[in-house]
Parts: sequence; C-alpha cells; structure tokens
Amino acid sequence: TQLLEQSPQFLSIQEGENLTVYCNSSSVFSSLQWYRQEPGEGPVLLVTVVTGGEVKKLKRLTFQFGDARKDSSLHITAAQPGDTGLYLCAGAPNAGGTSYGKLTFGQGTILTVHP
Amino acid sequence: DSGVTQTPKHLITATGQRVTLRCSPRSGDLSVYWYQQSLDQGLQFLIQYYNGEERAKGNILERFSAQQFPDLHSELNLSSLELGDSALYFCASSDRETDTDTQYFGPGTRLTVL
Repeated sequence: TQLLEQSPQFLSIQEGENLTVYCNSSSVFSSLQWYRQEPGEGPVLLVTVVTGGEVKKLKRLTFQFGDARKDSSLHITAAQPGDTGLYLCAGAPNAGGTSYGKLTFGQGTILTVHP
Repeated sequence: DSGVTQTPKHLITATGQRVTLRCSPRSGDLSVYWYQQSLDQGLQFLIQYYNGEERAKGNILERFSAQQFPDLHSELNLSSLELGDSALYFCASSDRETDTDTQYFGPGTRLTVL
C-alpha cells in the first residue's frame, strides 16, 4: 500500500509570510499532484509534477518533485488570505502497474492566512 | 466549475437505508472515479470505471457498489448504511483510461447517516 505523509497538518500564518508544505512517501510515484480544496467544494488541481527533480511555478506557488519521485513540496511566497484552504498532495502509482487511476492522497494541510 | 456534476448536494438518511449518488462526468471524459472523504480517513479512492467497465478498486466496502451507464454517467449505491458512512463523496472524471494526471472533481455529495 502506498502512503503519503503530509506535513504540517495545520498551518496558521500572517499575510505576507512564506510557507512550505511537505509530502513524503517511501514509495515511488509516477507523478504527484497538488490540489486545493475549499469548504463544501471538490478538490481543484493546482499542478502535476512528473519528472524527478522537476520544479514548477504557478505565480506565488512553487512545486518540487523529489529526485527519487518519492516526495514533493509546495512553497507559497507572500501568502494572502485568499490562499486559505485545504492543500492535498496525491500520488499516482508507478506506470506498468494495474492500479490505473488509484490516486493516493495525503491527509492534507489546512492553511489559514490571517490578514 | 470543473464540468463534473453530482447530485444530490446533501443527503440525510437513517441507518440501514440505501441511497444512490449520481455523477455526470465532463463532456468527453470516459473515466469516472469515486472517492470518500471523512475527517479521520481523509480522501480515499473507492472505484474507477472506464467506458462502462470497472477498471480499479480501492477501499470500497461490499455494501457499496457502482456502475457506469452507456451515457457515461455513474451511480454509487450505498446500502445497509451505518453511522460511519457519513462523509463527503466525490466523483472525478478524466479523459484517459490510465490517466492519473488530470482528474477533475465534482462538488461532492454530503451524506449524513442518522
């Protein structure tokens, strides 16, 4: 069973601060995705990282996939109240398996950015 | 708006009952995935269908079943409901059988079992 450990579980910061959320596993994933979920809504895909060592930037958000494709991080620069939400990482099983679309999700990080 | 629709938005029922949750995927998507989200378990994959056929199973209980119809909409049937089945149920869709990169989630159905 592939498990993803996400940390921290809760993060409460002031507007303008920087933060990093981590997603770690002992398993190798073919890709890793980050989602943001707001209360009462479904998760919304932010980014997918596929190549070990890959770095993707989405405005103030920077996503990194570990060289061994076992871990990932999400870094937010100058956080804003609009960034508040639940952030989820999800790993896709290694290609060639029979797991098809079985994404494994981390437990999530609840981020609160205070004005 | 992801383009994935789910009905109903909220469902309140009693233990022992049976309910059906419905999902319409994005136009053109052939794969439908069902997930359960609870406070203690997080987001858990239940089952995937591709073009009407079951493709992958996750942590789905025997009391739960799903199907995908020729028009590609999907239904998740939950029977002999227990208090612990109270959760958010999401469906997601994608356009490829083995695509795990771009799953688009619906708004979810909140099930409360009393």
